[in-house]
Amino acid sequence: DAGVIQSPRHEVTEMGQEVTLRCKPISGHNSLFWYRQTMMRGLELLIYFNNNVPIDDSGMPEDRFSAKMPNASFSTLKIQPSEPRDSAVYFCASSSGLSTGELFFGEGSRLTVL
Amino acid sequence: SQKIEQNSEALNIQEGKTATLTCNYTNYSPAYLQWYRQDPGRGPVFLLLIRENEKEKRKERLKVTFDTTLKQSLFHITASQPADSATYLCAPAQTGANNLFFGTGTRLTVIP
Repeated sequence: DAGVIQSPRHEVTEMGQEVTLRCKPISGHNSLFWYRQTMMRGLELLIYFNNNVPIDDSGMPEDRFSAKMPNASFSTLKIQPSEPRDSAVYFCASSSGLSTGELFFGEGSRLTVL
Repeated sequence: SQKIEQNSEALNIQEGKTATLTCNYTNYSPAYLQWYRQDPGRGPVFLLLIRENEKEKRKERLKVTFDTTLKQSLFHITASQPADSATYLCAPAQTGANNLFFGTGTRLTVIP
């Protein structure tokens, strides 16, 4: 298996632009997570899905952030409009959904908003 | 509110020594706790899981302890090597909870 695949790996954009990050989870995994990592705040859980359904989005910073999972093999995290404080590395992770299941992370998408 | 703290941002040790990293949690009653390793520019990678009824878990040179009274987990790397240099993250969780919250991480540097 190729593991969790994220794109783009790097994104530089200007404030106010829309940003879309993409994630393909490991086949057969039914839980998907979006995290954001910064030096100041560490690894923060933004939202997670179970069987394509958003279960907990309490970590989403504000209405500018939205996430979708239209099918079991694809998810997007969108920021519109983007702001400089959104600059971070965004990770997608998937798991088999077992209560103690380990998370498999992608390589992350490094976002810089100028 | 729930809080997960790891002992220090950075830890430097000499090659061959044992590294000990600490994970403390408050306002939590985790049924298990996971440890991950993260290399620069990469995503975290799962290392070990320990359950609340397990005092200790070992995997090769790694050892994890879990003290639910102290609300603490210790992560040991024996005979440390420069290749062990990385950031280590802990993640305590409740049974049945799919969401996983991480500590701030400890950056370990093993000096040759």
